[in-house]
Amino acid sequence: EAQVTQNPRYLITVTGKKLTVTCSQNMNHEYMSWYRQDPGLGLRQIYYSMNVEVTDKGDVPEGYKVSRKEKRNFPLILESPSPNQTSLYFCASSRFSGGQPQHFGDGTRLSIL
Amino acid sequence: ILNVEQSPQSLHVQEGDSTNFTCSFPSSNFYALHWYRWETAKSPEALFVMTLNGDEKKKGRISATLNTKEGYSYLYIKGSQPEDSATYLCAFSGTASKLTFGTGTRLQVTL
Repeated sequence: EAQVTQNPRYLITVTGKKLTVTCSQNMNHEYMSWYRQDPGLGLRQIYYSMNVEVTDKGDVPEGYKVSRKEKRNFPLILESPSPNQTSLYFCASSRFSGGQPQHFGDGTRLSIL
Repeated sequence: ILNVEQSPQSLHVQEGDSTNFTCSFPSSNFYALHWYRWETAKSPEALFVMTLNGDEKKKGRISATLNTKEGYSYLYIKGSQPEDSATYLCAFSGTASKLTFGTGTRLQVTL
């Protein structure tokens, strides 16, 4: 089954404790992206990747890192999480670019105390 | 940060009503306009991606139009059903890489 898998689905953690949210897709898609969803603000793009080893900032990259060492994986890293990063996070992928339909993962709800 | 606006914010209609929503986006540097359907407790699902001025797309009772010169897209739902209840998101691409989402229109369809 074609899918985008995020882990964990839920996480409660404390300020400053490094965490990684994994994202994996099995559709051989070149484009992958991370978004955060906050009430009243809509989905905001954090980082995106056009292909392996090619990543770039979205609209809200501060406090996040990403890597794209393999085509299927695009982890989101919070080196020193803070409470303002409490949010619902979505990973998405598409065949070639942001101009094509995005396939979303199920979301990760992150709470940072 | 680009401005993508959706209206109305929310809408409550009766089963069988037809309805439409608007997405406004910058009219310069257009690459693509997306529509997604987002049900509660699920993830957004793509409905349409439109790339050409004048594009019209249809999927069952749902259709969309695009005007890139004036910077707007309409989403229409004909004969709304309770299962159409969801938040409808539009997203604008000015390039092949970045995507900017609107805040969505929340539709509730009651019997």
